[in-house]
Amino acid sequence: AQKITQTQPGMFVQEKEAVTLDCTYDTSDPSYGLFWYKQPSSGEMIFLIYQGSYDQQNATEGRYSLNFQKARKSANLVISASQLGDSAMYFCAMREYGTASKLTFGTGTRLQVTL
Amino acid sequence: DSGVTQTPKHLITATGQRVTLRCSPRSGDLSVYWYQQSLDQGLQFLIQYYNGEERAKGNILERFSAQQFPDLHSELNLSSLELGDSALYFCASSVGEGIYEQYFGPGTRLTVT
Repeated sequence: AQKITQTQPGMFVQEKEAVTLDCTYDTSDPSYGLFWYKQPSSGEMIFLIYQGSYDQQNATEGRYSLNFQKARKSANLVISASQLGDSAMYFCAMREYGTASKLTFGTGTRLQVTL
Repeated sequence: DSGVTQTPKHLITATGQRVTLRCSPRSGDLSVYWYQQSLDQGLQFLIQYYNGEERAKGNILERFSAQQFPDLHSELNLSSLELGDSALYFCASSVGEGIYEQYFGPGTRLTVT
């Protein structure tokens, strides 16, 4: 069973607008972490934001926020005031506490910011 | 800059050959992870080391091996290379074994011809 699902292979957003990238996950472990990474065309993986399963509040980091809905098992990334430099692949990932330390990644969403 | 370094950045080699990829974790990080990113398989976890000891194995082929040295740098050895091994290989590090952020290096792009 797929543990991380990103249903949007590609998204377009206009500069200065907000955009939401969807991520749903599947786990039976009560303790887990959810992560978002950005991969620009240059190839590196850039850590953006983290949400723990026991965190009461949604995580925020600058223009990035994570809309965590535990009952729905969703962890959507919201980027506010999009910039041209936000154009990249975005990966949602999860680590379950009870298993190996690995991150399990979704298939990614390619975001294109337009003028 | 994540603080994780990987060398070389690019590697082109022939089928049947052996290569070594090197990774230095962020200062203070004890855990090192290796991931493979290919077009058909996406991002897959290969193996994890913590303070010199192997901790977890993922979808790592028997032709592949890794180790972490006392200075905490790690090497991934790929042998009997096949065309399908062409991929971007990432090293990541984290401070510990818990649910910490993993910071990725710039990757090594391996092309097997």
